[in-house]
Amino acid sequence: QVQLVESGGGVVQAGRSLRLSCAASGFTFSISPMHWVRQAPGKGLEWVAVISDDGGSKYYADSVRGRFTISRDNSKNTLYLQMNTLRPEDTATYYCAKESSGWYYGWSDPWGQGTLVAVSS
Amino acid sequence: QSALTQFPSASGSPGQSVTISCSGTSSDVGGYKYVSWYQQHPGKAPKLMIYEVNKRPSGVPDRFSGSKSGNTASLTVSGLQAEDEADYYCSSYGGFNNVLFGGGTKLTVL
Repeated sequence: QVQLVESGGGVVQAGRSLRLSCAASGFTFSISPMHWVRQAPGKGLEWVAVISDDGGSKYYADSVRGRFTISRDNSKNTLYLQMNTLRPEDTATYYCAKESSGWYYGWSDPWGQGTLVAVSS
Repeated sequence: QSALTQFPSASGSPGQSVTISCSGTSSDVGGYKYVSWYQQHPGKAPKLMIYEVNKRPSGVPDRFSGSKSGNTASLTVSGLQAEDEADYYCSSYGGFNNVLFGGGTKLTVL
């Protein structure tokens, strides 16, 4: 079955960097755009970034543009999120999700279980 | 861009129907067919319930239905069951290579 497993979360000081990974299985990863979505503790969902199937197109939310970089390695069926210059407001559970519309911005299904990033000031 | 607007809470008794609304603008909800709804139980990942305004993925009960009128989308849960108690989020393409989510509605089954 389709499975997404995030890793790489943890506690980090403000201003430092962290890289998240999302291992995909059960589907043809190389033809699927992928998203990162985050959720601050007790808050709602916030879209972070999307990457095209070949990695050639990447789009970001205003809140992370210039600090975060989404990338993928189709040979390893893995999605990444490089997070630099982290801020306390980046504290959240980060989910990777498979875009299932055939476009970039249709709907996400399924989602991984999430990985928690906590940024201390 | 601002998040889509949802009422923070909704409730209903078992067997009743409840409708959750999601208000946007003509630049997002009203302008595109890409409106989706997600269910999230505490401590769990979001689960797709409705896509393209009113389509149900396989495995989602037909008690869940979606619609849209103008700039407002709605999710209706009919025949409420205890396991429907969860947070529900709407989502829409926001234009300009952006995805918007609503603030979420906590559905309580009384």
